[in-house]
Amino acid sequence: AQKVTQAQTEISVVEKEDVTLDCVYETRDTTYYLFWYKQPPSGELVFLIRRNSFDEQNEISGRYSWNFQKSTSSFNFTITASQVVDSAVYFCALKEGSWGKLQFGAGTQVVVTP
Amino acid sequence: DSGVTQTPKHLITATGQRVTLRCSPRSGDLSVYWYQQSLDQGLQFLIQYYNGEERAKGNILERFSAQQFPDLHSELNLSSLELGDSALYFCASSVNSAQETQYFGPGTRLLVL
Repeated sequence: AQKVTQAQTEISVVEKEDVTLDCVYETRDTTYYLFWYKQPPSGELVFLIRRNSFDEQNEISGRYSWNFQKSTSSFNFTITASQVVDSAVYFCALKEGSWGKLQFGAGTQVVVTP
Repeated sequence: DSGVTQTPKHLITATGQRVTLRCSPRSGDLSVYWYQQSLDQGLQFLIQYYNGEERAKGNILERFSAQQFPDLHSELNLSSLELGDSALYFCASSVNSAQETQYFGPGTRLLVL
């Protein structure tokens, strides 16, 4: 069963619009970690943020912000005032407490046009 | 730059052949992970090593094997290659396996013809 669901396959926006990427996860563990990674057209996977299951404080970092809600098992990611350089595939990932492996969602392609 | 290096960047080979992918983790990282990214399967965990020992196995085929050497670099061996093995293979590393963030290398793009 899919543990991480990214329902949005592709989102297209015009530069300076905000973009919110949805991520819903499923786990029975009480300790787990959630991540967002970015994969630009060049192909590498770039780490953006990690959240622990016991830390529901939301965060803003520059144009990026994250909304973690355990009650709905969601870990959403927002890019404010998008730029062309934000065009990439964004992956949400889950690491359950007793495992080292990351379980990735299918990814959301973000296309930002000038 | 994550600090994780992978070689080669690209690899083109034929069905039935064997290839070796190499990964050097970030300085100080003891855990190495291998992932496969393909169009149909997405990003899938293959195997993890910690300080030279196998720690966890995922969806890794029997034709694939890996090891981590005393200097902590790792190699992923793919044998009897099939067309469906064409994918982007990532190596990631972390300090340990429990709580740390995994940092990914640039990947090796394998094309099997």
